[in-house]
Amino acid sequence: AQTVTQSQPEMSVQEAETVTLSCTYDTSENNYYLFWYKQPPSRQMILVIRQEAYKQQNATENRFSVNFQKAAKSFSLKISDSQLGDTAMYFCAFMKHRGPNDMRFGAGTRLTVKP
Amino acid sequence: GAGVSQSPRYKVAKRGRDVALRCDSISGHVTLYWYRQTLGQGSEVLTYSQSDAQRDKSGRPSGRFSAERPERSVSTLKIQRTEQGDSAVYLCASSSGPVSYNEQFFGPGTRLTVL
Repeated sequence: AQTVTQSQPEMSVQEAETVTLSCTYDTSENNYYLFWYKQPPSRQMILVIRQEAYKQQNATENRFSVNFQKAAKSFSLKISDSQLGDTAMYFCAFMKHRGPNDMRFGAGTRLTVKP
Repeated sequence: GAGVSQSPRYKVAKRGRDVALRCDSISGHVTLYWYRQTLGQGSEVLTYSQSDAQRDKSGRPSGRFSAERPERSVSTLKIQRTEQGDSAVYLCASSSGPVSYNEQFFGPGTRLTVL
């Protein structure tokens, strides 16, 4: 079974600075997807960024980028130039490449961006 | 267009009662997932269903949890004989395809409290 671990329950960062959220996972699969989702207070989760395990290049989406270390089974999210609107819960998730496309999420990291 | 919606947003139930939670997915999406999100723990899928013109497939209904799909874009998660441990946020997600990777779009969730 796959497990996803986010070891930082809460983090804070000053506006305009950079913050990195950690995620590790455990799997015996060789090909899979990894995701970071953002869940603002009382709102639905939205996809921030996605990484395919067979791609070595780290995914980037504007101010969001990942550091994917397949051998270490690590998948961290870096948020640059943090904005107040980045305040949210962030969930790391894993999905197998084949078979049922259900995702397994970590417990989440609550990020607060301070003015 | 409209996203995924869920109702009710909050539900309080007495232990032992049955509850039904509704999800309206994005029109045209074929796969619906139900996840349970527990504070401080990872989220995992409870059940999912895929539909095409001919058939439905339901994955992993187990014990007291079951999902019905009375219409292509509607799913109802039923929990029988609720227990206090069922208190959680139940998330519905839908995607446009049954295989390979298709982005899952999430609803806002239903927070269930079992007394």
